[in-house]
Amino acid sequence: DSGVTQTPKHLITATGQRVTLRCSPRSGDLSVYWYQQSLDQGLQFLIQYYNGEERAKGNILERFSAQQFPDLHSELNLSSLELGDSALYFCASTAGNTGELFFGEGSRLTVL
Amino acid sequence: AQSVAQPEDQVNVAEGNPLTVKCTYSVSGNPYLFWYVQYPNRGLQFLLKYITGDNLVKGSYGFEAEFNKSQTSFHLKKPSALVSDSALYFCAVRDPNSGYALNFGKGTSLLVTP
Repeated sequence: DSGVTQTPKHLITATGQRVTLRCSPRSGDLSVYWYQQSLDQGLQFLIQYYNGEERAKGNILERFSAQQFPDLHSELNLSSLELGDSALYFCASTAGNTGELFFGEGSRLTVL
Repeated sequence: AQSVAQPEDQVNVAEGNPLTVKCTYSVSGNPYLFWYVQYPNRGLQFLLKYITGDNLVKGSYGFEAEFNKSQTSFHLKKPSALVSDSALYFCAVRDPNSGYALNFGKGTSLLVTP
């Protein structure tokens, strides 16, 4: 158990809809990263938050957004969903710059 | 950009034999390199990392990795494979230009047969 909790584990929705994925980092970790894993794109870094503020952006679509709350949990919002957004979305947290990230079990999104 | 490449989609090895999963890197500056493992329907688990120091890094579950600067490689190794080692293995490099996010390779599926 990494200590990172993600909900929901599975989500099925329709094209055009909006969903929110939630992540609770390990206790004490200030930094949260979001990744998307798909068969064709592999593991793609989406966005990072540190102590409530956006720190870095990766290959995140404009339809996607995230935030980190004062209690350090984070949410990834995906809107105007397309079939191609079907993927496994991971959250990871870390305490500092030592490098290793601790991953949650992921949220599997299926867009029909 | 900092990147890694895993040239093999799949590696097959018999139980008890040594295994190697290959990774090469392309970075500017000193590389921070990592190996992660992913079991089916699970998140990624940290195995080991190289930051500086000895070129042979020991990690979890008996895995080790050898950093080779001249060949820009960071291959994952294990002296004796177990069936339970069958999983997806990812090499990664830390990217200081992306908030120290990890850039992952495409992954190598390891299959250990009895």
